[in-house]
Amino acid sequence: AAGVIQSPRHLIKEKRETATLKCYPIPRHDTVYWYQQGPGQDPQFLISFYEKMQSDKGSIPDRFSAQQFSDYHSELNMSSLELGDSALYFCASSSGLAGGGSSYEQYFGPGTRLTVT
Amino acid sequence: GIQVEQSPPDLILQEGANSTLRCNFSDSVNNLQWFHQNPWGQLINLFYIPSGTKQNGRLSATTVATERYSLLYISSSQTTDSGVYFCAVERKRTGGFKTIFGAGTRLFVKA
Repeated sequence: AAGVIQSPRHLIKEKRETATLKCYPIPRHDTVYWYQQGPGQDPQFLISFYEKMQSDKGSIPDRFSAQQFSDYHSELNMSSLELGDSALYFCASSSGLAGGGSSYEQYFGPGTRLTVT
Repeated sequence: GIQVEQSPPDLILQEGANSTLRCNFSDSVNNLQWFHQNPWGQLINLFYIPSGTKQNGRLSATTVATERYSLLYISSSQTTDSGVYFCAVERKRTGGFKTIFGAGTRLFVKA
């Protein structure tokens, strides 16, 4: 069965550089979530999109932005990178009404490991 | 906001032993999932269980939503069960849903 695809799997950037992470949800899933997991930490919710509209926002820094495109893939853009941004970034997808009704089981991608030097 | 507490924080088992992991949450939730994060960092879905009981092989889970807790049972543990087990809850709030993870239970199964 098709899973969530994330690219790149590994990324090394220097401080103050920018990075773009991509996520391709499971086919027919309309909701995408982004999470950040620091070393030894639990995943922290950043932002989610339903049907290409932002549906919820968590602890996402102002330096980060994200969007969901017409083909439902999503990109997380990170600017002015800091050492503390080094983490594993997960994308998850689900099929459901994130903005109303109820949302459903989330399936996670393999993650992008970002290292900022 | 809602608090999610998992216990125990760390667990060491001898291969073949059984264990129970607990997840308590401080308010009503719409959804609850259990994940296993393997040593390579991959998050694997174990159960989607907002309420009731489910079983999958050696694993089973029970969520009692009215009492705000969920339990994950691991029977006949194997070394490949090692990793971190996360409970994640989802709560509807104005504008959408927010997912909150517990701090996890770190499990090591010895051969």
